[in-house]
Amino acid sequence: EAGVVQSPRYKIIEKKQPVAFWCNPISGHNTLYWYLQNLGQGPELLIRYENEEAVDDSQLPKDRFSAERLKGVDSTLKIQPAELGDSAVYLCASSLAGVGSPLHFGNGTRLTVT
Amino acid sequence: QKEVEQNSGPLSVPEGAIASLNCTYSDRGSQSFFWYRQYSGKSPELIMFIYSNGDKEDGRFTAQLNKASQYVSLLIRDSQPSDSATYLCAVSGGGADGLTFGKGTHLIIQP
Repeated sequence: EAGVVQSPRYKIIEKKQPVAFWCNPISGHNTLYWYLQNLGQGPELLIRYENEEAVDDSQLPKDRFSAERLKGVDSTLKIQPAELGDSAVYLCASSLAGVGSPLHFGNGTRLTVT
Repeated sequence: QKEVEQNSGPLSVPEGAIASLNCTYSDRGSQSFFWYRQYSGKSPELIMFIYSNGDKEDGRFTAQLNKASQYVSLLIRDSQPSDSATYLCAVSGGGADGLTFGKGTHLIIQP
């Protein structure tokens, strides 16, 4: 079974530039999550999708962050414009049966904003 | 605001000994509990999950849950140097709540 696939693995951009991250969840997993992880911290939820519906985006900074999950499979997370404080690892995860079931993480995208 | 608390460590344990990792959570309605292991520069990987009070064993790992005390722990028997990593506790409430992670405990197994 293929795992959660994320790209790119690394991204370096200048502040005020846009950036996008892509995620392909495990086949059959209807729930998809985007987390942000800073060094020395646990992952923090940005947004959760059930199929194509965003059911929890309360922690997503909507002035600069946006996400979509067209057709309920792949997902894209975008930041525009990026700020220095956005430097972090962005993790995508999926689960089979929504909240309460184990999450499986992708390798993450390490973003550096200069 | 749901909170999951862990001692950040580092927790240093001799090889072959039992490592005990602890986690407390604030939401009494939490129903699902997970332990993830994260090596430096890698993404979290699932170690154990537990839903009911008591112990759950899987190989060298045992998860323990006490909902009355809002406490969950992970025991690692016969600790190996390869167990050296950060261990993240994660908790999910009922209803539509997502998974909340603690900051993690850095475990060092000394050869």
